[in-house]
Amino acid sequence: KAGVTQTPRYLIKTRGQQVTLSCSPISGHRSVSWYQQTPGQGLQFLFEYFSETQRNKGNFPGRFSGRQFSNSRSEMNVSTLELGDSALYLCASSLLVGQGHEQYFGPGTRLTVT
Amino acid sequence: LAKTTQPISMDSYEGQEVNITCSHNNIATNDYITWYQQFPSQGPRFIIQGYKTKVTNEVASLFIPADRKSSTLSLPRVSLSDTAVYYCLVGVRGGKLSFGAGTTVTVRA
Repeated sequence: KAGVTQTPRYLIKTRGQQVTLSCSPISGHRSVSWYQQTPGQGLQFLFEYFSETQRNKGNFPGRFSGRQFSNSRSEMNVSTLELGDSALYLCASSLLVGQGHEQYFGPGTRLTVT
Repeated sequence: LAKTTQPISMDSYEGQEVNITCSHNNIATNDYITWYQQFPSQGPRFIIQGYKTKVTNEVASLFIPADRKSSTLSLPRVSLSDTAVYYCLVGVRGGKLSFGAGTTVTVRA
């Protein structure tokens, strides 16, 4: 069974631009969670989607948004990029809703904002 | 969310057993304890999850005392490839989890 895939793997953007990251969960998994990982803040939960609905949300500004499609694929969008948004963005999928269930993480998208 | 405390780092040698203890004094009745492993530039990988007593799988063992205020992840006979960051998380299965700073385990030859 294929694992979680994320595209693109690397991205360089300029301050003020917007970016869209994509995540394809493991086949059959309906929950997709997004995380931001930085050296200073560690791994921080952004949001979780299940059956196309946002079920949980972390403490991030409204510039960070996401959505999930009927095939469970998910995208996250960051608008008006800031230098501090440079991070590794990780997507995780699980069979059931809630990060308390076993999650399978993708390799991440490394975003650099200049 | 129950806060967790674990050592920042641990050193070990190949073939030794590594035990990482996580404190979670405010664990709630419905909370489970979950451990993840993360290698550099990769996403975390689920290791083990438990509620009470002892859980064992092909990778590790998880020991949880009766009061559940702490837990210990045990990695038997570590190798160089076990060098990674290990995260202890506490929360309900259907709820939110927070990743702390984790424990950086360095295995030396």
